[in-house]
Amino acid sequence: ETGVTQSPTHLIKTRGQQVTLRCSSQSGHNTVSWYQQALGQGPQFIFQYYREEENGRGNFPPRFSGLQFPNYSSELNVNALELDDSALYLCASSLMTRGNTEAFFGQGTRLTVV
Amino acid sequence: ELKVEQNPLFLSMQEGKNYTIYCNYSTTSDRLYWYRQDPGKSLESLFVLLSNGAVKQEGRLMASLDTKARLSTLHITAAVHDLSATYFCAVDADGYALNFGKGTSLLVTP
Repeated sequence: ETGVTQSPTHLIKTRGQQVTLRCSSQSGHNTVSWYQQALGQGPQFIFQYYREEENGRGNFPPRFSGLQFPNYSSELNVNALELDDSALYLCASSLMTRGNTEAFFGQGTRLTVV
Repeated sequence: ELKVEQNPLFLSMQEGKNYTIYCNYSTTSDRLYWYRQDPGKSLESLFVLLSNGAVKQEGRLMASLDTKARLSTLHITAAVHDLSATYFCAVDADGYALNFGKGTSLLVTP
């Protein structure tokens, strides 16, 4: 157990809808990153939040957006869902320190878009 | 664009045998991580390698990092069934994003 919790664990949405996924970071951590893992692939970096600001972004369109709250928890929002958005979404919690970005992952949210 | 390549992608090995998984990456970095993922589960951190020549061991697994060759290895000694899982290496080249390989799916058979 990493202490990183995500909700919900599973979700089914219809194409065109919007979805919000939630993540509570591990105690003592100040940074949250989100990854998308398609079936049979490695996780792909979506973005990272540090001190409530976006700290870096991967190759994902603007309909993927996020928030970080003062307690370091985070949300991932996806608008205008597409079938290809079906994936396991992983939240990773870390402590921003020089030279070490070790991340601890939550159990993930399995999103299915139909 | 940073590329991370693992090989093999699939590995079936008998219990008791040894094998090595390779992770090559395309840009300078001295921060490399190994994770394990069981089917339908999240990622479990195995090793953190933060300098050239770093070697870490945990049970039957040993990981090493050669930053000059841009290569990390995960060596399995005397495999047991419980090691069956998918193993990912991930490289940090910019201080915030982990770039993952496609993973090595390991099956250990009797």
